[in-house]
Amino acid sequence: EAAVTQSPRSKVAVTGGKVTLSCHQTNNHDYMYWYRQDTGHGLRLIHYSYVADSTEKGDIPDGYKASRPSQENFSLILELASLSQTAVYFCASSPGLGGVAETLYFGSGTRLTVL
Amino acid sequence: GEKVEQHESTLSVREGDSAVINCTYTDTASSYFPWYKQEAGKSLHFVIDIRSNVDRKQSQRLIVLLDKKAKRFSLHITATQPEDSAIYFCAATYTNAYKVIFGKGTHLHVLP
Repeated sequence: EAAVTQSPRSKVAVTGGKVTLSCHQTNNHDYMYWYRQDTGHGLRLIHYSYVADSTEKGDIPDGYKASRPSQENFSLILELASLSQTAVYFCASSPGLGGVAETLYFGSGTRLTVL
Repeated sequence: GEKVEQHESTLSVREGDSAVINCTYTDTASSYFPWYKQEAGKSLHFVIDIRSNVDRKQSQRLIVLLDKKAKRFSLHITATQPEDSAIYFCAATYTNAYKVIFGKGTHLHVLP
C-alpha cells in the first residue's frame, strides 16, 4: 500500500509568520504534488515536482514556495502566512508512466488556520 | 486555460438508483482521467480511471465513459448504497502530463 505522510496534521499560525508543511512518501514515486482544498473550489494545484531538486508552479503558486530535497520529501513553505491561506492542504505522490501522471496517492491532509 | 469543469455540485439519489456525475475538460491533449472519492472528514482515494485510448471502463458498480469529441467524461455509480455518499472529484492530465487538474467536486447523497 502506497504511503504518503503529512505533518503536522493541523496547525494554527499567526499572520505574517512562516509555516512549513512537510510530506514524506515511501512509494519510490517520481511525482509529488501540493493541493489546497477550500469549500467551493475543490482541489487547486499549488506546486508539483517530477524529480528531486526541481519544483514547478501549479495554478495558484503565489504566496507559496516548494522544496524537493530528495525523492521522498516535498515541503510547502508559506514565508508570510496570510488569512487567505487558511485551508486544508493535501500532498500526493504518483508513480508516473512514460511521462504521464498515474494514480495519485494522497496524504491525510494538514488543516492550516491562519489567525 | 487548463480547466476541468464538474457540472453537479450536489447530487441526491435514492438507494438502489444510479448516480451520474459529469465532467468536461478543455485540453484535447488530455490523456488520463481519474476519479477520486473523499468521505466526510477524510482524505481522497482513487476509485477508477480511464485513458484516452478507450471510451468505457467498468469496475464493479462504477462505470466511466469518455467522449473525446465532446471532451466529456462521466462517472456512473449503479445500485447506489449508503456508503457511496461522499464527494467525488474528476481530474485530468494535460499537455504537460505531470500536471493533474481537479474539478470542484460533487457531493453525492444516497438517501434511504
